[in-house]
Amino acid sequence: NAGVTQTPKFRILKIGQSMTLQCTQDMNHNYMYWYRQDPGMGLKLIYYSVGAGITDKGEVPNGYNVSRSTTEDFPLRLELAAPSQTSVYFCASSTTGTGRGELFFGEGSRLTVL
Amino acid sequence: AQSVTQLGSHVSVSEGALVLLRCNYSSSVPPYLFWYVQYPNQGLQLLLKYTSAATLVKGINGFEAEFKKSETSFHLTKPSAHMSDAAEYFCAVSDNNNDMRFGAGTRLTVKP
Repeated sequence: NAGVTQTPKFRILKIGQSMTLQCTQDMNHNYMYWYRQDPGMGLKLIYYSVGAGITDKGEVPNGYNVSRSTTEDFPLRLELAAPSQTSVYFCASSTTGTGRGELFFGEGSRLTVL
Repeated sequence: AQSVTQLGSHVSVSEGALVLLRCNYSSSVPPYLFWYVQYPNQGLQLLLKYTSAATLVKGINGFEAEFKKSETSFHLTKPSAHMSDAAEYFCAVSDNNNDMRFGAGTRLTVKP
């Protein structure tokens, strides 16, 4: 049971570089989410998607972009990386919206921007 | 927007002692409330959730939480701590939109 798979697990970027964090789920969930986790701050929602072709901003979307071309995949794009984007990123999926449903999380991607 | 406050960023208990992790929420509508647990280098896992069916909610691994509307609280308890309970615990609130708000987390240490 793969669940939610994130790659890469670790990455170091230089300021101004770009990269994509990959997220794939095999549970046929319509809802997918990207969060960032910073020490002492909990998790903050970056972007979410309620189905293929539909995405929306969360609490902290600046500096990020997403796309959702299939039910399974929800990549997160970082353009012009900045030190403030150093964080642990979690992808999650759900059968329903977060109001009722459990979120299933990947193991995280630790990104450092130097 | 809804929010949660977790009182105490670190809690330390002895093995066999009561675990009490505090969470207070703010929401303009009847909330959905969750407790998640995160073990080192892993993603979050659902412990339990409140969706208005019953005020006392039982979760996995012997944890439970009680929804108290008058106190706007949803504290997590376990009668007897095990070493394996050492982890970080997050309270979360949602008001039926797609923006689940998480607390800052409480790191639980269990001493032998």
